[in-house]
Amino acid sequence: EPEVTQTPSHQVTQMGQEVILRCVPISNHLYFYWYRQILGQKVEFLVSFYNNEISEKSEIFDDQFSVERPDGSNFTLKIRSTKLEDSAMYFCASTPEFTDTQYFGPGTRLTVL
Amino acid sequence: QQQVKQSPQSLIVQKGGISIINCAYENTAFDYFPWYQQFPGKGPALLIAIRPDVSEKKEGRFTISFNKSAKQFSLHIMDSQPGDSATYFCAASKETSGSRLTFGEGTQLTVNP
Repeated sequence: EPEVTQTPSHQVTQMGQEVILRCVPISNHLYFYWYRQILGQKVEFLVSFYNNEISEKSEIFDDQFSVERPDGSNFTLKIRSTKLEDSAMYFCASTPEFTDTQYFGPGTRLTVL
Repeated sequence: QQQVKQSPQSLIVQKGGISIINCAYENTAFDYFPWYQQFPGKGPALLIAIRPDVSEKKEGRFTISFNKSAKQFSLHIMDSQPGDSATYFCAASKETSGSRLTFGEGTQLTVNP
């Protein structure tokens, strides 16, 4: 069964450094999302992406964040200058057309020191 | 108005018992209500979902009950098994392709053998 994959599974970085989290959505899916989950808290929406542009973003998704679909398979989340409070599990998700079901990847645990 | 409130925060049931998790929402524009199951170290996985045109949906041991007037919905797990031990999240979104999911706070379910 196809699944969303994410790399790396765990990323440790120093405060102020740039990180890029990578996702490979399920092939033929058209909508892509990033969510984050701070340890012990609920899953929070960051951004959705469709047709090579951001379709919606939350108040969390400020100028430090950007997303890109550099080719036909990858979907990336970049954090330009990481803060301690960016430490969280980041989930990528994707949705095919004509359905609301979002399929989540296993997540990347980001630790900012 | 975007919030989804979930209770209880944690739940312990005996094998064979019924697990009940409740959620309430505020935004009347929400039109799709999924439940996600999350095991430690994994991404959320869709368990079952409902739209407000029906009051109940059953899939195997899992049932969603939906009360549109009260803006509440609940997950019932019949004949709970130790393998059901996980964190359960309710969520809601508008019925628009690519809409963000707004998650509840999560319920950690433990089913004792």
